[in-house]
Order: sequence, then C-alpha cells, then structure tokens
Amino acid sequence: EAGVAQSPRYKIIEKRQSVAFWCNPISGHATLYWYQQILGQGPKLLIQFQNNGVVDDSQLPKDRFSAERLKGVDSTLKIQPAKLEDSAVYLCASSLRSLGKLSTEAFFGQGTRLTVV
Amino acid sequence: SQQGEEDPQALSIQEGENATMNCSYKTSINNLQWYRQNSGRGLVHLILIRSNEREKHSGRLRVTLDTSKKSSSLLITASRAADTASYFCATDINAGGTSYGKLTFGQGTILTVHP
Repeated sequence: EAGVAQSPRYKIIEKRQSVAFWCNPISGHATLYWYQQILGQGPKLLIQFQNNGVVDDSQLPKDRFSAERLKGVDSTLKIQPAKLEDSAVYLCASSLRSLGKLSTEAFFGQGTRLTVV
Repeated sequence: SQQGEEDPQALSIQEGENATMNCSYKTSINNLQWYRQNSGRGLVHLILIRSNEREKHSGRLRVTLDTSKKSSSLLITASRAADTASYFCATDINAGGTSYGKLTFGQGTILTVHP
C-alpha cells in the first residue's frame, strides 16, 4: 500500500518569498491534516480537511498561509510571504476517519523541511 | 497551546531495560494515540486507546489510560537500541460529545537506548 506522499522534501527560500507544498494522501482516506513541526517541538495542527471541506483551521495563520484540497484528494499548503519563524518541517497526514466518527490511526508523510533565510 | 504534555522530556536507558513515558492532557478525550518519530523520519503510529479502555498491549508496548487523572503512560519493555526515537501522545478531544477527529500532539519524550 502506497503511503502519504509529500513534495518537495527540502526547500530553502528567502524571507518574503512564497512557497507551496504538495500532499497526496493514501487512497480512500477522507481526513487530511497539515502539521507544522518546529525543531524540538511536537507537531502543531495547522488545518484539517474532511474530504474537501475544512474541519479545523483555528491555528492557521490566515494572513500568510492558505491550503486547499481539491476534489477531496490531493492538497496544497502555501505560505506567502514567508517569515524566518516559518522554518520548520511541514507534515501531511491522512486517516480513514469518516465524518462524525472517532479519529483513527493517522499515516504521516516524510515531511517537507522548509528553511527561510 | 498543546493539549498533551509528556514526561519526562528526555529519558536515557540501557538496552534491555524498560522505558516508561507519561502523557497528561487537559480536556475530555475520545481516544489517545502514541506515535514514534525517528531522527529525520515521519511519525509512525504505535497504538490507540479509547476513552472507555484502561489498558492495551501491542508486542513490547503497554499503554494505560486513566481518564479520571487525565493521564496515560507508555511502557516499552526490554528496550532495544532501535527504540531510540521521540515519542508523542496525541489526543482526539471530545468537544461536547462530538469528535472532529482533531489530533493534538504533545511536546514529546526523547528516548535514548544505549547498546
């Protein structure tokens, strides 16, 4: 079974530039998460999709971050403009969880390591 | 803010010893999950325990859940060097009887197992 695919694996940009990350979840997984993990910390949820609808984006800095999940499959996360404090690993995860049901095991991609200089 | 808080922040043991990590959380949950993260790799799911369960086993892993104390523990028995990793608890918060499937992670425990 193919896992969660993310690209790129690494990205270095200058502050005020824009960047986009792509995620392809496991086939059939309705729930998709984007997490930000700063070095030495636990993952912080940025946004959660259920199919192509947003369930939670309370911690997404909406002035600079945006995310979409077209057709309820692939997802992109964009940062525009980037700040130095955005340097982190961005993790995408998916799960089988259906709307209204309890959470299940989440499968994570390898992440994208972003460095903002 | 993080829902879960792991304790200790770092743990160093010898191969063959047992390792115990604790997780405390603040609000009512539907379930609690433990994940492992090796250096440079993504998170891997280890075990899920539901709010109506008190103990669960999976191989060398034993997880307990005490909802009255809002805490959980992960025990790794007969540890191996390959168990060296960061361990995170993640909670699915019960919001008024509803689950949104939102997984909130703690800060993690760094486990080092010396050969």
